[in-house]
Formats: sequence, structure tokens, C-alpha cells
Amino acid sequence: DAGVTQSPTHLIKTRGQQVTLRCSPKSGHDTVSWYQQALGQGPQFIFQYYEEEERQRGNFPDRFSGHQFPNYSSELNVNALLLGDSALYLCASSFGERYEQYFGPGTRLTVT
Amino acid sequence: GQNIDQPTEMTATEGAIVQINCTYQTSGFNGLFWYQQHAGEAPTFLSYNVLDGLEEKGRFSSFLSRSKGYSYLLLKELQMKDSASYLCAVRDETGGYNKLIFGAGTRLAVHP
Repeated sequence: DAGVTQSPTHLIKTRGQQVTLRCSPKSGHDTVSWYQQALGQGPQFIFQYYEEEERQRGNFPDRFSGHQFPNYSSELNVNALLLGDSALYLCASSFGERYEQYFGPGTRLTVT
Repeated sequence: GQNIDQPTEMTATEGAIVQINCTYQTSGFNGLFWYQQHAGEAPTFLSYNVLDGLEEKGRFSSFLSRSKGYSYLLLKELQMKDSASYLCAVRDETGGYNKLIFGAGTRLAVHP
């Protein structure tokens, strides 16, 4: 049984560019949450998707957007990249939002 | 508002016991999680408390006092592989849906 998978593993982008990160949830899970983790900090909640809709959102600007597909996989899009967007982006899946979240290995984004 | 505090760094000796404290202030508390995160890797689930008291799982135990907004993670018989960051996360139900609010993490270094 595959756990949560994310792609790509690493990514280097230039300021102003756009990036798309992908996540496949653990089998049987229907809820996907995205987090941003800066170096030396805890993960910060970006948003959560359920039934292809954004259900709640953290304190992130509209440059951060997402999508969930019918197979429960999800994408995180970031537009107009800033240097401060450099971080580890974690995807976590769960069965509903009431249960334990399982994290993927993350995508390391570097903005230069 | 929401605030989660835990010590930044701790050191301990192999074979010893260490206690990592976490205090929190949230408006919609609905449980507390502890995650372990090795450098460059995804957080992995350690424990979950929603009621007051102690939950024991092998070498790891977690305690919660809801009235005091306090939790601790107890690690016994420390091993070198326990060197990692330990993240305290509160499940917050504000807005009707659950999301995880993380502390900044405690970096534990285990020495021989």
C-alpha cells in the first residue's frame, strides 16, 4: 500500500515564475492538506481540499492556489514566486478531517 | 489567537529519559498530536491525545492537560536514532473543520 507521494522531490525556480506541485494521497484517503515548512520552523497550514473543493485556508495570499481531482490527488500552484517562498512543501492526507494525517516526503522548492 | 510553544533545542544522553513540553493557546482545541521529523524528511505520527491523561506507546508516552493547555512527550531509553525534531501540533476546529496548527519544533540531540 503506497503512502502519500509527492512530485517533484526538488525544484529550483526564479523569482516571478510559477510552480505546480503534485500530491497523491494514501489509498483510501479523501482529504488532502498542504503545508509550507521553512527551515527550522514547524509546518504552516496552507489549505485543505475535500470533494474537490477548498474547505479551509490558512494565512496565505491568493498567489497560492490548489486543486483536487476526482481521484483525490491534488496540486498546489504558486504564482509570482518570491524568495520567501523557498521552503519544504508538505502534503498530508487523511480519511476526512477528523483523523490522523499522513505526510508525504515533501517537495523542496528553492526560489533564486 | 493561536499560539504553540515548545523549547527550541534539547540534548540528552543515550539510554536516558527526556521530556519535551508543549504549551498551547487555541480557540477551537480538538486534540493534540506529536510528530517526529528527521532532517529533510516528512513528519511521522507518534501520538495523539484528546482527553486528559497519559497515553503510552512503547518507549514513547504523551500527556495532556486541557485545563492547563499543556502537553509533554516522554521518550525513554533514548537511542541515537531518536535525534530528530519533535513537533507538537494542535487540531483546531475553528470554522467547523479540523486543521493542524504546529509549533516550531524541538530539536533533540542524543549523545553517546
